[in-house]
Amino acid sequence: DQQVKQNSPSLSVQEGRISILNCDYTNSMFDYFLWYKKYPAEGPTFLISISSIKDKNEDGRFTVFLNKSAKHLSLHIVPSQPGDSAVYFCAASAAAGGTSYGKLTFGQGTILTVHP
Amino acid sequence: KAGVTQTPRYLIKTRGQQVTLSCSPISGHRSVSWYQQTPGQGLQFLFEYFSETQRNKGNFPGRFSGRQFSNSRSEMNVSTLELGDSALYLCASSSGQPRDIQYFGAGTRLSVL
Repeated sequence: DQQVKQNSPSLSVQEGRISILNCDYTNSMFDYFLWYKKYPAEGPTFLISISSIKDKNEDGRFTVFLNKSAKHLSLHIVPSQPGDSAVYFCAASAAAGGTSYGKLTFGQGTILTVHP
Repeated sequence: KAGVTQTPRYLIKTRGQQVTLSCSPISGHRSVSWYQQTPGQGLQFLFEYFSETQRNKGNFPGRFSGRQFSNSRSEMNVSTLELGDSALYLCASSSGQPRDIQYFGAGTRLSVL
């Protein structure tokens, strides 16, 4: 039962253009969402997060959008740079209620390649 | 501020053996979560420790266990290793509060032969 899905295993984008990574979830208890970036031989690095009370959060070149009714979130990277090439994971937690301590549920990841 | 440190980085074991992995969290963090990453299953939550107590557990067999010490360092143990236990084991630390960001270590790559 995959509660967080990233349906695109890979994405290829030209430098300077927008990268859009998508993520869908099924568990309506999820109320906090995060994006991580992972390089080979390193652990995931936190990028940006969003609480379910918001529909958008920005941090520099990164913007995350949340559509609760569709149970869908997306990460926009503008402009994309070759250094952004990595695996991107979306993750979700059911932060409210206190029953999901320390547990993030991850998608399978999307490999982003940004070409110079 | 030092990040999350996992040791060892690489480990080779044979079936039936046991293994212990270590995780030192960011200074001041009291929560440590453990994850298993495999190509087929992705990143799966194992368990979380906070102030030496296991607060949450994922869907893994009892061969997977952990503990946390008073300095918040955590260890994970896998007994009676199986070939399918070959994976990257990641730990993450946080303050333990809801919606706090988890910061990950580089992981321990375990190969079971």
